[in-house]
Amino acid sequence: QVQLQQSGPGLVKPSQTLSLTCAISGDSVSSNSAAWNWIRQSPSRGLEWLGRTCYRSKWYNDYAVSVKSRITINPDTSKNQFSLQLNSVTPEDTAVYYCARGMSPAPTNWYFDLWGRGTLVTVSS
Amino acid sequence: SYDLTQPPSVSVSPGQTARITCSGDALPKQYAYWYQQKPGQAPVLVIYKDSERPSGIPERFSGSSSGTTVTLTISGVQAEDEADYYCQSADSSDTSVVFGGGTKLTVL
Repeated sequence: QVQLQQSGPGLVKPSQTLSLTCAISGDSVSSNSAAWNWIRQSPSRGLEWLGRTCYRSKWYNDYAVSVKSRITINPDTSKNQFSLQLNSVTPEDTAVYYCARGMSPAPTNWYFDLWGRGTLVTVSS
Repeated sequence: SYDLTQPPSVSVSPGQTARITCSGDALPKQYAYWYQQKPGQAPVLVIYKDSERPSGIPERFSGSSSGTTVTLTISGVQAEDEADYYCQSADSSDTSVVFGGGTKLTVL
């Protein structure tokens, strides 16, 4: 049974870096058929896809335009996990952050068949 | 990026059929997906590739597509189906993912 276990702080100060980790069990971060994603949800922005990392003979990353200048998603093959770093956060980044496994039935077309439980991250001093 | 438009709310009595729509210009060219989210829980995939149902999802959940609109149909609605439902698709111009704003299904 594939599971995603999220970890990381629930409170981050403005201008600092939000960091979360998602540990994978039952699948591999190096899978040739899946991608590993971060998605957030807030009352003001709804569900918002942030980005993905995937391995297809080499590592690829894609990021949402809205956060592209501030985001990094990194795989860690030694621990079979992936991480999210979001720099220069503001209160607007307050949200529940989810990691999720993505599958692609067609080029550029992705869906999410497995989600972590979510982490509420509050940006406040 | 572009928008997927859903009605904010749908209400139905137990045993009736609920239909939730999602409209978007790229839907004729891209698959649509549907998620169910109950309070305090992560979303759960209930329909993929417009009309396919993942294993473990009850047969009363079905999906269809016509032009720029996709529809999630729940036949014989049960009280446990009360939740928020989100459609999701892709932006044809890049690799981005787009979610609809969500529809709150109320079982009267």
